[in-house]
Amino acid sequence: GQNIDQPTEMTATEGAIVQINCTYQTSGFNGLFWYQQHAGEAPTFLSYNVLDGLEEKGRFSSFLSRSKGYSYLLLKELQMKDSASYLCAPMDSNYQLIWGAGTKLIIKP
Amino acid sequence: IAGITQAPTSQILAAGRRMTLRCTQDMRHNAMYWYRQDLGLGLRLIHYSNTAGTTGKGEVPDGYSVSRANTDDFPLTLASAVPSQTSVYFCASSDAGNADTQYFGPGTRLTVL
Repeated sequence: GQNIDQPTEMTATEGAIVQINCTYQTSGFNGLFWYQQHAGEAPTFLSYNVLDGLEEKGRFSSFLSRSKGYSYLLLKELQMKDSASYLCAPMDSNYQLIWGAGTKLIIKP
Repeated sequence: IAGITQAPTSQILAAGRRMTLRCTQDMRHNAMYWYRQDLGLGLRLIHYSNTAGTTGKGEVPDGYSVSRANTDDFPLTLASAVPSQTSVYFCASSDAGNADTQYFGPGTRLTVL
Protein backbone atom coordinates (compact mmCIF):
# COMPACT_ATOMS: atom_id res chain seq x y z
CA GLY A 1 0.00 0.00 0.00
CA GLN A 2 0.90 3.65 -0.09
CA ASN A 3 1.90 5.31 3.13
CA ILE A 4 3.27 8.61 4.39
CA ASP A 5 4.77 9.04 7.84
CA GLN A 6 5.60 12.41 9.37
CA PRO A 7 5.47 13.67 12.97
CA THR A 8 2.12 14.97 14.09
CA GLU A 9 3.44 18.03 15.88
CA MET A 10 6.73 19.82 16.52
CA THR A 11 7.66 22.85 18.58
CA ALA A 12 10.58 25.20 17.91
CA THR A 13 11.84 28.58 19.02
CA GLU A 14 11.81 31.76 16.96
CA GLY A 15 15.16 32.23 15.21
CA ALA A 16 16.10 28.56 15.46
CA ILE A 17 16.28 25.78 12.85
CA VAL A 18 13.84 22.88 12.56
CA GLN A 19 13.86 19.75 10.40
CA ILE A 20 10.59 18.01 9.53
CA ASN A 21 11.06 14.43 8.38
CA CYS A 22 8.89 12.41 6.04
CA THR A 23 9.15 8.76 5.05
CA TYR A 24 7.03 7.35 2.29
CA GLN A 25 6.06 4.23 0.40
CA THR A 26 4.37 4.68 -2.95
CA SER A 27 3.55 2.72 -6.07
CA GLY A 28 6.13 4.29 -8.33
CA PHE A 29 7.62 7.71 -7.76
CA ASN A 30 7.54 10.95 -9.72
CA GLY A 31 8.92 13.41 -7.23
CA LEU A 32 7.95 14.73 -3.82
CA PHE A 33 6.24 17.98 -2.89
CA TRP A 34 6.15 19.98 0.33
CA TYR A 35 3.27 22.32 1.03
CA GLN A 36 2.61 24.80 3.83
CA GLN A 37 -0.88 25.20 5.23
CA HIS A 38 -1.83 27.88 7.74
CA ALA A 39 -4.85 27.16 9.89
CA GLY A 40 -8.08 27.77 8.00
CA GLU A 41 -6.30 28.34 4.70
CA ALA A 42 -5.44 26.39 1.57
CA PRO A 43 -2.14 24.53 1.12
CA THR A 44 0.53 26.53 -0.72
CA PHE A 45 3.45 25.07 -2.66
CA LEU A 46 6.88 25.18 -1.04
CA SER A 47 9.18 22.80 -2.89
CA TYR A 48 9.53 19.92 -5.32
CA ASN A 49 12.30 17.31 -5.39
CA VAL A 50 12.63 14.66 -8.07
CA LEU A 51 16.38 13.93 -7.81
CA ASP A 52 18.35 12.98 -4.72
CA GLY A 53 19.92 15.81 -2.82
CA LEU A 54 19.20 19.17 -1.29
CA GLU A 55 17.21 21.97 -2.89
CA GLU A 56 17.62 25.35 -1.22
CA LYS A 57 15.12 28.17 -1.55
CA GLY A 58 15.74 31.05 0.81
CA ARG A 59 15.09 30.04 4.42
CA PHE A 60 13.57 26.74 3.31
CA SER A 61 15.45 23.69 2.00
CA SER A 62 14.16 20.27 1.04
CA PHE A 63 16.11 17.02 0.82
CA LEU A 64 15.28 13.77 -0.93
CA SER A 65 16.70 10.25 -0.80
CA ARG A 66 14.76 8.05 -3.21
CA SER A 67 16.54 4.84 -2.18
CA LYS A 68 15.52 5.40 1.46
CA GLY A 69 12.03 6.72 0.75
CA TYR A 70 12.92 9.74 2.85
CA SER A 71 12.64 13.49 2.64
CA TYR A 72 12.99 16.37 5.02
CA LEU A 73 12.08 20.04 5.05
CA LEU A 74 14.55 22.34 6.79
CA LEU A 75 13.39 25.72 7.99
CA LYS A 76 16.04 28.23 9.12
CA GLU A 77 15.75 31.50 11.05
CA LEU A 78 12.27 30.59 12.17
CA GLN A 79 9.70 33.34 12.29
CA MET A 80 6.35 33.37 14.07
CA LYS A 81 4.60 33.33 10.67
CA ASP A 82 6.14 29.89 10.03
CA SER A 83 3.65 28.44 12.51
CA ALA A 84 1.62 26.20 10.20
CA SER A 85 1.16 22.62 9.10
CA TYR A 86 3.68 21.20 6.64
CA LEU A 87 2.43 18.55 4.24
CA CYS A 88 4.64 15.95 2.59
CA ALA A 89 3.22 14.60 -0.68
CA PRO A 90 5.04 12.16 -2.97
CA MET A 91 3.68 11.66 -6.48
CA ASP A 92 2.98 8.08 -7.51
CA SER A 93 3.29 6.37 -10.88
CA ASN A 94 -0.13 7.73 -11.93
CA TYR A 95 1.02 11.28 -11.18
CA GLN A 96 -1.35 11.45 -8.22
CA LEU A 97 -0.19 13.09 -4.99
CA ILE A 98 -0.31 10.93 -1.87
CA TRP A 99 -0.83 13.22 1.10
CA GLY A 100 0.40 12.79 4.63
CA ALA A 101 -1.66 14.15 7.55
CA GLY A 102 0.91 16.91 7.97
CA THR A 103 3.17 18.14 10.74
CA LYS A 104 1.85 21.00 12.85
CA LEU A 105 4.76 23.30 13.64
CA ILE A 106 4.40 25.58 16.64
CA ILE A 107 6.86 28.46 16.95
CA LYS A 108 7.44 29.94 20.40
CA PRO A 109 9.00 33.36 21.08
CA ILE B 1 -10.16 36.31 -11.42
CA ALA B 2 -6.63 35.37 -10.45
CA GLY B 3 -5.80 31.72 -9.79
CA ILE B 4 -8.54 29.47 -8.49
CA THR B 5 -11.82 30.54 -6.96
CA GLN B 6 -14.34 28.42 -5.09
CA ALA B 7 -17.93 29.09 -4.09
CA PRO B 8 -19.50 29.15 -1.66
CA THR B 9 -16.97 29.90 1.08
CA SER B 10 -19.07 27.99 3.56
CA GLN B 11 -22.44 26.28 3.62
CA ILE B 12 -24.72 24.55 6.10
CA LEU B 13 -26.86 21.95 4.40
CA ALA B 14 -29.66 19.66 5.52
CA ALA B 15 -29.07 15.95 4.98
CA GLY B 16 -30.65 14.69 1.80
CA ARG B 17 -30.27 17.97 -0.07
CA ARG B 18 -28.38 18.33 -3.33
CA MET B 19 -25.41 20.69 -3.41
CA THR B 20 -22.93 21.83 -6.05
CA LEU B 21 -19.58 23.29 -5.09
CA ARG B 22 -18.14 25.51 -7.77
CA CYS B 23 -14.51 25.80 -8.84
CA THR B 24 -13.08 28.06 -11.55
CA GLN B 25 -9.46 28.60 -12.59
CA ASP B 26 -8.02 31.14 -15.01
CA MET B 27 -4.53 29.66 -15.41
CA ARG B 28 -5.49 27.43 -18.35
CA HIS B 29 -4.31 24.39 -16.43
CA ASN B 30 -5.22 21.07 -17.98
CA ALA B 31 -5.72 19.09 -14.79
CA MET B 32 -8.12 19.81 -11.92
CA TYR B 33 -8.81 18.03 -8.65
CA TRP B 34 -11.26 17.91 -5.78
CA TYR B 35 -10.04 16.99 -2.29
CA ARG B 36 -11.64 16.80 1.10
CA GLN B 37 -9.71 17.52 4.26
CA ASP B 38 -10.82 16.21 7.64
CA LEU B 39 -9.16 16.84 10.99
CA GLY B 40 -6.22 14.50 11.57
CA LEU B 41 -6.29 13.10 8.05
CA GLY B 42 -4.38 13.99 4.93
CA LEU B 43 -6.04 15.45 1.89
CA ARG B 44 -8.09 12.77 0.16
CA LEU B 45 -8.75 12.89 -3.55
CA ILE B 46 -12.42 12.68 -4.53
CA HIS B 47 -12.35 13.12 -8.30
CA TYR B 48 -9.95 14.51 -10.85
CA SER B 49 -9.87 15.58 -14.48
CA ASN B 50 -6.73 15.42 -16.59
CA THR B 51 -8.25 17.48 -19.38
CA ALA B 52 -11.57 19.00 -20.42
CA GLY B 53 -14.11 16.30 -21.23
CA THR B 54 -12.53 13.60 -19.05
CA THR B 55 -12.90 12.75 -15.36
CA GLY B 56 -11.62 10.04 -13.04
CA LYS B 57 -12.33 8.67 -9.59
CA GLY B 58 -10.01 9.30 -6.70
CA GLU B 59 -9.71 7.64 -3.32
CA VAL B 60 -13.14 8.60 -1.94
CA PRO B 61 -15.56 9.15 -4.87
CA ASP B 62 -18.78 7.67 -3.44
CA GLY B 63 -21.59 10.19 -3.05
CA TYR B 64 -19.90 12.74 -5.31
CA SER B 65 -19.96 13.49 -9.03
CA VAL B 66 -18.06 15.92 -11.24
CA SER B 67 -18.13 17.27 -14.77
CA ARG B 68 -15.53 19.07 -16.90
CA ALA B 69 -17.32 20.75 -19.77
CA ASN B 70 -14.48 23.25 -20.34
CA THR B 71 -10.95 23.98 -19.17
CA ASP B 72 -11.86 26.54 -16.52
CA ASP B 73 -14.71 24.98 -14.52
CA PHE B 74 -14.86 21.83 -12.43
CA PRO B 75 -18.02 21.63 -10.28
CA LEU B 76 -18.46 18.98 -7.58
CA THR B 77 -21.99 17.76 -6.85
CA LEU B 78 -23.30 15.97 -3.78
CA ALA B 79 -26.49 14.32 -5.00
CA SER B 80 -27.94 13.64 -1.54
CA ALA B 81 -25.77 15.00 1.27
CA VAL B 82 -25.04 12.96 4.39
CA PRO B 83 -23.45 14.10 7.67
CA SER B 84 -20.22 12.19 6.89
CA GLN B 85 -19.68 14.60 4.01
CA THR B 86 -19.11 17.41 6.50
CA SER B 87 -15.61 18.56 5.61
CA VAL B 88 -13.48 21.25 4.03
CA TYR B 89 -13.36 20.85 0.26
CA PHE B 90 -10.44 22.09 -1.79
CA CYS B 91 -10.25 22.41 -5.53
CA ALA B 92 -6.81 22.41 -7.17
CA SER B 93 -5.34 22.63 -10.64
CA SER B 94 -2.02 21.75 -12.23
CA ASP B 95 -0.13 22.04 -15.48
CA ALA B 96 2.00 19.17 -16.75
CA GLY B 97 4.48 21.76 -17.98
CA ASN B 98 5.18 22.87 -14.41
CA ALA B 99 6.09 19.52 -12.82
CA ASP B 100 2.39 19.01 -12.11
CA THR B 101 2.56 21.38 -9.16
CA GLN B 102 -0.94 21.69 -7.77
CA TYR B 103 -2.34 25.10 -6.86
CA PHE B 104 -5.26 25.25 -4.49
CA GLY B 105 -8.41 27.30 -4.20
CA PRO B 106 -9.39 28.83 -0.83
CA GLY B 107 -11.72 25.97 0.08
CA THR B 108 -15.38 25.48 0.93
CA ARG B 109 -16.36 24.56 4.47
CA LEU B 110 -19.44 22.33 4.27
CA THR B 111 -21.55 21.22 7.22
CA VAL B 112 -24.26 18.63 6.68
CA LEU B 113 -26.80 18.36 9.48
